[in-house]
Amino acid sequence: QVQLQESGPGLVKPSETLSLTCSVSGGSISNYYWSWIRQPPGKGLEWIAYIYYTGRTTYNPSLKSRVTISVDTSKSQFSLKLSSVTAADTAVYYCARQPAAMYYFDSWGQGTLVTVSS
Amino acid sequence: DIQMTQSPSSLSASVGDRVTITCRASQTISSYLSWYQQKPGKAPKLLIYAASSLQRGVPSRFSGSGSGTDFTLTISSLQPEDFATYYCQQSYSTPLTFGGGTKVEIK
Repeated sequence: QVQLQESGPGLVKPSETLSLTCSVSGGSISNYYWSWIRQPPGKGLEWIAYIYYTGRTTYNPSLKSRVTISVDTSKSQFSLKLSSVTAADTAVYYCARQPAAMYYFDSWGQGTLVTVSS
Repeated sequence: DIQMTQSPSSLSASVGDRVTITCRASQTISSYLSWYQQKPGKAPKLLIYAASSLQRGVPSRFSGSGSGTDFTLTISSLQPEDFATYYCQQSYSTPLTFGGGTKVEIK
């Protein structure tokens, strides 16, 4: 049973860069797509980006100019960087697995709350 | 972007009730539609994929139907553990998008 775990700072200052890592255990990072999804408090879900284990990426155009996603297969981890954050970026950030690019999310991390505040 | 519209946004139901939630896409998405259940403080859980395929381990009281632009999630007999928020999600094209959610509450 694959498990995903997000890690990173819970508090980020406005205009700085949010950095999160998702560690994958209990299964291979190869042959899957890996996504970041966020959920502002009390609101719905927003897909941010996905990356294939080979490093191929696809971003949500609404965030593309500020987002970088990367993968480290040797560590079974993938990461998210979101630059120039504002209070609007305050959310629970989830990492999730997709069996293929245009597919559903079949495994999720527990989520990590990131608050943007000075 | 493909907009996903769920209705209703909330509903009240009793244990044992049959519950139906609808999801409409702003353009055709074939059967690239999934349903998730989310409980407070928890990550979403996949229930249905490809519009009507039941994820392994999900109770058979959950079912999905539809294709094109109109989809339905049905809970045949609502159980206490089913009170949650439900989201649909399209994977026909990027950006991948979710519906706004339907909160199922206890009557």
